Amino acid sequence: AQSVAQPEDQVNVAEGNPLTVKCTYSVSGNPYLFWYVQYPNRGLQFLLKYITGDNLVKGSYGFEAEFNKSQTSFHLKKPSALVSDSALYFCAVSPSFRQAGTALIFGKGTTLSVSS
Amino acid sequence: EAQVTQNPRYLITVTGKKLTVTCSQNMNHEYMSWYRQDPGLGLRQIYYSMNVEVTDKGDVPEGYKVSRKEKRNFPLILESPSPNQTSLYFCASNPTGNRPYEQYFGPGTRLTVT
Repeated sequence: AQSVAQPEDQVNVAEGNPLTVKCTYSVSGNPYLFWYVQYPNRGLQFLLKYITGDNLVKGSYGFEAEFNKSQTSFHLKKPSALVSDSALYFCAVSPSFRQAGTALIFGKGTTLSVSS
Repeated sequence: EAQVTQNPRYLITVTGKKLTVTCSQNMNHEYMSWYRQDPGLGLRQIYYSMNVEVTDKGDVPEGYKVSRKEKRNFPLILESPSPNQTSLYFCASNPTGNRPYEQYFGPGTRLTVT
């Protein structure tokens, strides 16, 4: 079965420290990987995606993610956390772009809490 | 402004009373989709549409209907809502379902069925 795992329900970091939100996946074929962020009472906002090419992907708000094929991981990172980064983060995978109507498979989400 | 809109944003209803949640996008996207978000489960796809008049079931379609008569609109219909359909619903769109584009999400509709 194809799936996405976010092993941490919550990640707590102090402002200014680096942050990592973990994501691992299990899909057949080449994965297309995404990170979304959800602020309270808002819809999901796209942060970044990996389709092909450089394993380090840079996205919005200073976030980046590293695709590791051997570890089937796509961890979200930021060198210096801000209080405003506090939100719910979702990792998602699209199993195959050739499959019509392929839905994004979402992880359960990780709540990031940045303290001042 | 490019956006996906949903209405209503909040809805409290009773079991069995038919309801429709509207979704509209102004980006001329071919692909539209409905998800529900439940604590600890992430987002799960209900239905999707590859284009006008083309719809198909997602992972959790039971109890829902959709239609796609126009490219910009993709309403979600609950013919006989039940309490287990209490959830946060998101509509999403992207240019096409045949490429790994990021999806654009609406603001969400919080539905409570009593």
